[in-house]
Amino acid sequence: GNSVTQMEGPVTLSEEAFLTINCTYTATGYPSLFWYVQYPGEGLQLLLKATKADDKGSNKGFEATYRKETTSFHLEKGSVQVSDSAVYFCALVKNRDDKIIFGKGTRLHILP
Amino acid sequence: GAVVSQHPSRVICKSGTSVKIECRSLDFQATTMFWYRQFPKQSLMLMATSNEGSKATYEQGVEKDKFLINHASLTLSTLTVTSAHPEDSSFYICSARVGSSYNSPLHFGNGTRLTVT
Repeated sequence: GNSVTQMEGPVTLSEEAFLTINCTYTATGYPSLFWYVQYPGEGLQLLLKATKADDKGSNKGFEATYRKETTSFHLEKGSVQVSDSAVYFCALVKNRDDKIIFGKGTRLHILP
Repeated sequence: GAVVSQHPSRVICKSGTSVKIECRSLDFQATTMFWYRQFPKQSLMLMATSNEGSKATYEQGVEKDKFLINHASLTLSTLTVTSAHPEDSSFYICSARVGSSYNSPLHFGNGTRLTVT
């Protein structure tokens, strides 16, 4: 079945460090891929998305590229801030399927 | 942008009572809404898909009679936890898709922290 695997956290970095959160997926066909972010005590917010191979989603300094050959959608940011501390979820949705499938989430702590 | 409002944000109830959680789409119509439960260590579990004007579709292992879902209008879905027990204590989150395309992003409510004593 379809699934999303992302690196286990927590991930702890110093401010201005480079961030990578790995995400790989298993799915038939051509799913659309998403990153969502959850700040403490809140629901999830869409961070970025990509709908086809080689697409790059970007927002708030974060980027992720849809890599069909490696079935990956790694999240990157060049210089993190304390305000980026949150839980990040990688997700996919298949063609003509209502359900969105989430990874288990990666908690990110940024130290000042 | 699209806003999903969830109420209440926190609720404490006694064991054996029922609790209703509301999820509203404020500036768009949502024919489909999704209810999630978030466990410690943050993993999200899809509980059910709520369809306006028809019965909800529950995921395997979710008790339909315990978690009643009603989607009576295009802007409101409700989740009622019936005869709540301490093990039902959790963070419940609703979401809705803006637009009819399968890959339209989900918009989430801010969640409801349920504590059953």
